[in-house]
Amino acid sequence: QVQLVESGGGLVKPGGSLRLSCAASGFTFSDYYMSWIRQAPGKGLEWVSYISSSGSTIYYADSVKGRFTISRDNAKNSLYLQMNSLRAEDTAVYYCARDIGGDHAAFDIWGQGTMVTVSS
Amino acid sequence: EIVMTQSPATLSVSPGERATLSCRASQSVSSNLAWYQQKPGQAPRLLIYGASTRATGIPARFSGSGSGTEFTLTISSLQSEDFAVYYCQQYNNWLRLMYTFGQGTKLEIK
Repeated sequence: QVQLVESGGGLVKPGGSLRLSCAASGFTFSDYYMSWIRQAPGKGLEWVSYISSSGSTIYYADSVKGRFTISRDNAKNSLYLQMNSLRAEDTAVYYCARDIGGDHAAFDIWGQGTMVTVSS
Repeated sequence: EIVMTQSPATLSVSPGERATLSCRASQSVSSNLAWYQQKPGQAPRLLIYGASTRATGIPARFSGSGSGTEFTLTISSLQSEDFAVYYCQQYNNWLRLMYTFGQGTKLEIK
């Protein structure tokens, strides 16, 4: 079935780095735009980053610009988020999500999320 | 940045009754509005996109309306599984430059 599975979360000290992965299955990954979205404990949803289907177009939320890097490997059906210079406020569950495409930038498939905790 | 404001923060409704959730945008987003349902410990689930189009597999009791800056999600007859947090999300910029979510409405059993 159509599925996204995140991995790579964990506990990291402020200033540290972490790389998240998202494995896609059940659909043609290379056809879809993808995003990372996060949710701090007990809080709402915050979009983090977007990558086009080919990887040629990338956008970031201002809160992570210059610190996070999104990438994808269509041959491996995988999405990545390299997170550097991590701060306490980056603590959240990180979801990868599939964009339904076309004129509607809504997210129809989500992974189960991976928890990132930034603490000394 | 477009700010999305949802109201009320918490809505208490009895099973079988109708629930109406509101979402307001700080500037026009046309019909570029989605609604999600999130249950504790789960990822969000897409309900509505394009302000009024139900996503695949979403029951007909969920309906969306509105355009511009005012939007509504209506659940016509609440089932036990509908009690959850609901988020709206704008995607006014088709270039995918920015997406913003509302702060959520918790729908609880009265």
